[in-house]
Amino acid sequence: ETGVTQTPRHLVMGMTNKKSLKCEQHLGHNAMYWYKQSAKKPLELMFVYSLEERVENNSVPSRFSPECPNSSHLFLHLHTLQPEDSALYLCASSQLSGTDTQYFGPGTRLTVL
Amino acid sequence: DAKTTQPPSMDCAEGRAANLPCNHSTISGNEYVYWYRQIHSQGPQYIIHGLKNNETNEMASLIITEDRKSSTLILPHATLRDTAVYYCIVSVLDGQNFVFGPGTRLSVLP
Repeated sequence: ETGVTQTPRHLVMGMTNKKSLKCEQHLGHNAMYWYKQSAKKPLELMFVYSLEERVENNSVPSRFSPECPNSSHLFLHLHTLQPEDSALYLCASSQLSGTDTQYFGPGTRLTVL
Repeated sequence: DAKTTQPPSMDCAEGRAANLPCNHSTISGNEYVYWYRQIHSQGPQYIIHGLKNNETNEMASLIITEDRKSSTLILPHATLRDTAVYYCIVSVLDGQNFVFGPGTRLSVLP
């Protein structure tokens, strides 16, 4: 238990669906991250939010839309995804001081049919 | 691209020490060395980090060479539950620059 929770843990969606992934951290951190991990590939950083403002967007397609309403919550809104978007989506949080260790949630396993 | 290189896989006998190497020859003076591990299909788990001194915690020890161009993660008494992919990452202090490489797949064998 890292203090970072993600829901749902598993999600199956069609290419025309709209869904959202949720992340919540109970650590008092002020930075949050979305990562994507495709099969047999390293983790790829997608988005970084620092003090609720997006500071990094690693050329992620617009069908992925993040939202950070406050420092404890992070969403990833999904629409018109492709089968190659099937992956493990991981959320992490860190504190913007000290050594900024990132703590990860358990991930959401997404399957796009 | 990741700034570290690690062997793709290693085996270790249960109860023995597991020594996982990492090369980071282009590390900058303000970059820390972090180690994480990921057990199959779970989120990465933080293990340890250091700047230039050796570090030890309840999970592992981190040995950083004097020139900081390489480091070794030591699991002193490996168990079957330590089977995982181990990632070595170098990152500046703002923590927003984590780049994960493919890591080392450690298999602890009975």
